[in-house]
Amino acid sequence: NAGVTQTPKFQVLKTGQSMTLQCAQDMNHNSMYWYRQDPGMGLRLIYYSASEGTTDKGEVPNGYNVSRLNKREFSLRLESAAPSQTSVYFCASSEVGGETQYFGPGTRLLVL
Amino acid sequence: SQQGEEDPQALSIQEGENATMNCSYKTSINNLQWYRQNSGRGLVHLILIRSNEREKHSGRLRVTLDTSKKSSSLLITASRAADTASYFCATGLSGGSNYKLTFGKGTLLTVNP
Repeated sequence: NAGVTQTPKFQVLKTGQSMTLQCAQDMNHNSMYWYRQDPGMGLRLIYYSASEGTTDKGEVPNGYNVSRLNKREFSLRLESAAPSQTSVYFCASSEVGGETQYFGPGTRLLVL
Repeated sequence: SQQGEEDPQALSIQEGENATMNCSYKTSINNLQWYRQNSGRGLVHLILIRSNEREKHSGRLRVTLDTSKKSSSLLITASRAADTASYFCATGLSGGSNYKLTFGKGTLLTVNP
């Protein structure tokens, strides 16, 4: 099992450009999450999907949209990137109501 | 916010020594978890302790939880260079069908050979 995979691993964008971060898990988990991690900070929840067909805002949702494409895939979209969105983005998954989360390797995003 | 706060922010020890990291939080929780993050990698779950538990062991890891003080500690015994990483506590709270983790800022542990 690959666990949680994320693409791309690294991306450079110009201010105003858009992009989609992809996440997929092969553990048959119901819940999926998107976090961002900034230097000296813990992870902050952007959006989550408790189960297929549902999505909810987390702590820092502004500037992002998400799509739960199916049970395996959960994408994060930046419609108009801003320098403040420079960060490392992590996707995670867990069983429904599950407590342990399994993380992907992260996507490093630089917005110039 | 129920965010956990780790203490110290950074810790440097010699191989073979024990490392203790602390976490404090603000509100009621269902459980508290510790995760490890190696440089440039994703987080890896280490151990979970529920709100009705006081102590839990896993290999060289020992976690305590004091809900009256809203604090937890992670002890790594007989540390190894491979333990060098950032360690995060995360408080877990259920709300209906949802369950969310809130992470602290982490402790950077350096184990010198």
